Amino acid sequence: GQQVMQIPQYQHVQEGEDFTTYCNSSTTLSNIQWYKQRPGGHPVFLIQLVKSGEVKKQKRLTFQFGEAKKNSSLHITATQTTDVGTYFCAGRNSGAGSYQLTFGKGTKLSVIP
Amino acid sequence: NAGVTQTPKFQVLKTGQSMTLQCAQDMNHEYMSWYRQDPGMGLRLIHYSVGAGITDQGEVPNGYNVSRSTTEDFPLRLLSAAPSQTSVYFCASSTRQGAKISTDTQYFGPGTRLTVL
Repeated sequence: GQQVMQIPQYQHVQEGEDFTTYCNSSTTLSNIQWYKQRPGGHPVFLIQLVKSGEVKKQKRLTFQFGEAKKNSSLHITATQTTDVGTYFCAGRNSGAGSYQLTFGKGTKLSVIP
Repeated sequence: NAGVTQTPKFQVLKTGQSMTLQCAQDMNHEYMSWYRQDPGMGLRLIHYSVGAGITDQGEVPNGYNVSRSTTEDFPLRLLSAAPSQTSVYFCASSTRQGAKISTDTQYFGPGTRLTVL
């Protein structure tokens, strides 16, 4: 079945440093979503990428979808303590009628003040 | 709107006991899902429903049953609890954006933390 690999598993950064997490799928995706989960909380939707090569920005966050629609990345510029949490990517297969989202295992971000 | 609600927030069971985790949404969403989250494993899909009366299995369905008699509710039943089912359970709902199923986004409930002794 579809597999979504996410790296790194953990990342510790000093406040103000940049952070990037990468997501790779074993199959071509129709779209990819990114979620953030704060410690003790539930996943919260951040963004969805649909088009090949798409780049979207949300303030200090930049999301990219690869040209082959098999990989994606999330980059945070100048991290803040409010960025702490686990970031998940979730991909959906490109097959017709496909509903299931497959989540990566997440990247846990710690920010040292 | 309350969004997606889950009860209970915490539960401790003994091996072999059965119970139902409740999930409700008031957003008139067609799609509802159950995930379990284990340390280092991310979120794994247990069961999902694309509408009232329709359910299907996800990645890890064994030991769980679901039903969808109304649009609002999607309970998850543990038939005979096992220690391997100790986990955090999240219910999620989603709706189409436009005509394409592939453009929906998921709204998660606060989760139920289940321990099976």
